[in-house]
Amino acid sequence: AQSVTQLDSQVPVFEEAPVELRCNYSSSVSVYLFWYVQYPNQGLQLLLKYLSGSTLVKGINGFEAEFNKSQTSFHLRKPSVHISDTAEYFCAVSAPSGSARQLTFGSGTQLTVLP
Amino acid sequence: DSGVTQTPKHLITATGQRVTLRCSPRSGDLSVYWYQQSLDQGLQFLIQYYNGEERAKGNILERFSAQQFPDLHSELNLSSLELGDSALYFCASSVYTGADNEQFFGPGTRLTVL
Repeated sequence: AQSVTQLDSQVPVFEEAPVELRCNYSSSVSVYLFWYVQYPNQGLQLLLKYLSGSTLVKGINGFEAEFNKSQTSFHLRKPSVHISDTAEYFCAVSAPSGSARQLTFGSGTQLTVLP
Repeated sequence: DSGVTQTPKHLITATGQRVTLRCSPRSGDLSVYWYQQSLDQGLQFLIQYYNGEERAKGNILERFSAQQFPDLHSELNLSSLELGDSALYFCASSVYTGADNEQFFGPGTRLTVL
């Protein structure tokens, strides 16, 4: 079985400041990793994903994440946030085969960007 | 707009009742997923269909069932509803069934059981 831990349930940050949202996973097999964003009253939207190759992944809206296999982490970063980045962010993991092919989500991190 | 549509947007019903949630996937997507999002359980995978056939099951209760029709739309049926079934139900779709596939989420149906 695999699991995802998002270490911070809420992250307040001022506009134009950098932000890091932390995600750790647990799995006995190789994984795929995803970050999704959920804006108020909307469904989830994919920000970025790591499947293989370069451990630094760039996504939409200026976000990036780094896969660290030794620390089993996939932290999301943005160098300068905007008010419009206020949303809930979900880290998710899946595996290439077996019952773990389905997405397992973390509990989410609410990012609030303050003016 | 992800291209995935869900109806209705809101549903209010009473305990013991049965409801049907509907999902239309993006054009060309063969795979449909159902998720439940609640405050206490978070976002949980319920069930997946691919081209009309059930492909995977997650934490779906026996009171819940789903199907995918020949036109690829899907319905999630929830019966003998309990207060704890109140949640946001999402449908997602993808082209294939692979774990590396991006899933496109609909706006959700908010179910309130009174």
